[in-house]
Amino acid sequence: KAGVTQTPRYLIKTRGQQVTLSCSPISGHRSVSWYQQTPGQGLQFLFEYFSETQRNKGNFPGRFSGRQFSNSRSEMNVSTLELGDSALYLCASSKLAGVNEQFFGPGTRLTVL
Amino acid sequence: QKEVEQDPGPLSVPEGAIVSLNCTYSNSAFQYFMWYRQYSRKGPELLMYTYSSGNKEDGRFTAQVDKSSKYISLFIRDSQPSDSATYLCAALGTGANNLFFGTGTRLTVIP
Repeated sequence: KAGVTQTPRYLIKTRGQQVTLSCSPISGHRSVSWYQQTPGQGLQFLFEYFSETQRNKGNFPGRFSGRQFSNSRSEMNVSTLELGDSALYLCASSKLAGVNEQFFGPGTRLTVL
Repeated sequence: QKEVEQDPGPLSVPEGAIVSLNCTYSNSAFQYFMWYRQYSRKGPELLMYTYSSGNKEDGRFTAQVDKSSKYISLFIRDSQPSDSATYLCAALGTGANNLFFGTGTRLTVIP
């Protein structure tokens, strides 16, 4: 069974640009959550999507947004990039809504210059 | 105060040692507790998943939750160099959708 896949794996952008990250969950999983991981703050929850609806959102500014498609694939968008957005962005999927047994992808390493 | 606190280490132990990794949490509503292992340049991998208080064992790994003191522990017996990774604890409340993570403890097992 294929795991969670994320594309691209690495990305370099400059301040002010926008970026879109993609996540394909494990087959049969309908919930996708996004996290930001930085050395200082650790893993922080961004948002969760289930059946194309955002169920919950963490404490991040509106520049961070996402969506989920009918095939459960999800995208995350960050607009007007700031230096502090440099991080590893992780996607996790689970069968049911909620985050109790999630499987993580390898992440997208975003560097903002 | 962060919802889940974890000593970042780093922690270095010789091969074969017993490793104890610990976290504390602040929200008494948390009911589910997880331990994840994260290798360098990889996403976290779910190791152990426990509900409420008590112990859960899986091979060389034992997860322990003490809700009275809001303390979460992971014990690794007969540690191996392949256990070298960052270990993250996490907690979730019933009906909640946010999973709160500790910042992770970097473990190195020296052959």
